[in-house]
Parts: sequence; structure tokens; C-alpha cells
Amino acid sequence: NAGVTQTPKFRVLKTGQSMTLLCAQDMNHEYMYWYRQDPGMGLRLIHYSVGEGTTAKGEVPDGYNVSRLKKQNFLLGLESAAPSQTSVYFCASRRQGWDSPLHFGNGTRLTVT
Amino acid sequence: QQQVKQSPQSLIVQKGGISIINCAYENTAFDYFPWYQQFPGKGPALLIAIRPDVSEKKEGRFTISFNKSAKQFSLHIMDSQPGDSATYFCAASMTNTGNQFYFGTGTSLTVIP
Repeated sequence: NAGVTQTPKFRVLKTGQSMTLLCAQDMNHEYMYWYRQDPGMGLRLIHYSVGEGTTAKGEVPDGYNVSRLKKQNFLLGLESAAPSQTSVYFCASRRQGWDSPLHFGNGTRLTVT
Repeated sequence: QQQVKQSPQSLIVQKGGISIINCAYENTAFDYFPWYQQFPGKGPALLIAIRPDVSEKKEGRFTISFNKSAKQFSLHIMDSQPGDSATYFCAASMTNTGNQFYFGTGTSLTVIP
């Protein structure tokens, strides 16, 4: 039981390049989330999904796109990377239920130069 | 705009001491308040959570105190240990929607042996 797996763990991009971060969960969770973590800013929600084929915007969605084609996968895309997107990205999943906890992956450290 | 305000940003406590982290919110629709613990290189993990129908919840050495009228809640770590050294995040959500969790900015706790 791997839980939530994020790939890659590290990535360096040049400004204007594109990339996709992959999140996979094996817990059959309905809900999946992408957060970014920046010093002094905490965890901020980028996009989330409440089920296969659905996505919604979070607090800081600009510059990112997401897709949830399969229940177990949630992809985060950067079409044209900017230095402001340098951050640590965390994926999380949870089952339905108001008190079900978020299960986080171990993060992807992205640097945009 | 930060939905949940957290303080202090960092905290140093002697082994055996009490660590106290405070959070405040404005949105009275929030009715579920979890705390997450994050070790370096790892994703956050649920530590303890509370709903506002109780004023206190205790799990081992960890206690949440909740003041609904002041819209404040705090985490107390009794008999702090070096293994408690981590970053702690408070969070808030609305159980009627249950989809978005708003996190505080985090507190880096160091427990000195």
C-alpha cells in the first residue's frame, strides 16, 4: 500500500517551459488536491477534484491546469513556467466524509530559472 | 488573503516544556479544525482535529483548545520531546461542503534536548 505517490521528486525548468506533475493514489479516494507550499505562506490550494472527470479551482489556480481522467490519478500541468511557480508541490487525497483526513504525498520540489 | 492566521512562525522549547501554537479565523462558516504535522522532506499528516461543539480535545500529549466566541483555537504539546520537532499547520473547513481546507502559514517547532 503506497498511499499517495508523486513524480517526479525534483525538477528544474527554464522560464516558459512546460511540464506535468503526476499524482497517484491507491486508496480508492474520491477527492484529490494539489497544494503548493512556500515559506511563510503555508499550504495553498491550487486545484482539486471531487471525482473522476471533475476539477475545480482553489485559492491560487492561475498558471496551472489539472486533469482527472482516472480516479487514481490527478495531473497538474504548467503550460509556461514562471519563476513565481518555484515551490514545493503536494498532492493529497481523501475519502468522502467531512472528517476524513487529507493523505499527502512527499512533494515535488520545482525550481523555475 | 489568509483565511486562517497562525502564530508564532517559529518556536523553540526545552525538552519537557509546553509548546503552544495559536490560530485565528474570521469565517464563521468554518466548523472543522484539524492540525497537521510535517517532518522535513515529508508531506503533512493529520495530528488531531476538533469541531466547535467542544471546547477541548486531548489525544495523548496533544490538546486542542477551542474558543468559538473569539474564533481562535490552539494546539498545546505537553512534555515536548525532540521527536516533536516539526512544522505544524492549523487548518479549517466547512463540513457542509467539505471540499476545501484552508491552512495557516505554519509553525516550525524545535525542541531542544
